Amino acid sequence: RKEVEQDPGPFNVPEGATVAFNCTYSNSASQSFFWYRQDCRKEPKLLMSVYSSGNEDGRFTAQLNRASQYISLLIRDSKLSDSATYLCVVRPSTGGFKTIFGAGTRLFVKA
Amino acid sequence: DAGVIQSPRHEVTEMGQEVTLRCKPISGHNSLFWYRQTMMRGLELLIYFNNNVPIDDSGMPEDRFSAKMPNASFSTLKIQPSEPRDSAVYFCASSPGPPSYEQYFGPGTRLTVT
Repeated sequence: RKEVEQDPGPFNVPEGATVAFNCTYSNSASQSFFWYRQDCRKEPKLLMSVYSSGNEDGRFTAQLNRASQYISLLIRDSKLSDSATYLCVVRPSTGGFKTIFGAGTRLFVKA
Repeated sequence: DAGVIQSPRHEVTEMGQEVTLRCKPISGHNSLFWYRQTMMRGLELLIYFNNNVPIDDSGMPEDRFSAKMPNASFSTLKIQPSEPRDSAVYFCASSPGPPSYEQYFGPGTRLTVT
């Protein structure tokens, strides 16, 4: 089983739609969680950190479920510019600064 | 403030040649990471440094790969000799460390070995 697993997609949604991605992780002691966004032929960029209480940034909401070992990302009112690959990232507590990246979920938002 | 700087942005070389990739982390960040990304394997951590000291190099594929961080503002990743299967995008990232473990990536070096 991979340490971090994501549905690769692609998710094809119309503008204005709400879309959700899930990510599961295998190490129950993991401490830090993040969502990154990567555009085609660009570097990954931090989208948001995921806290135990969940957090929201505009149209983006991230949730953590420690009991089930998954994190989620919800995008409301999708824009064409949201088209990208979304990477789930987990920092195992025993790994120091080391983080594990998921393979990513492709999102296409169409007009 | 400048982000992570990598050079060169593109490198094309022939099999057997030495390749050196360079990275300047964000000032004040004390952790530096080297990643490799391919379509087949995704984003793989090769090595990371904390306070210029290599902490985990378990992701380095083989002895042909080596990395150094002689000071807080510079790191290199060297491949010698290079092989076609080394073709990938190599990213450098830096992090301020705890309590924030967020990483900030450079634009990457696209390496092609023919």
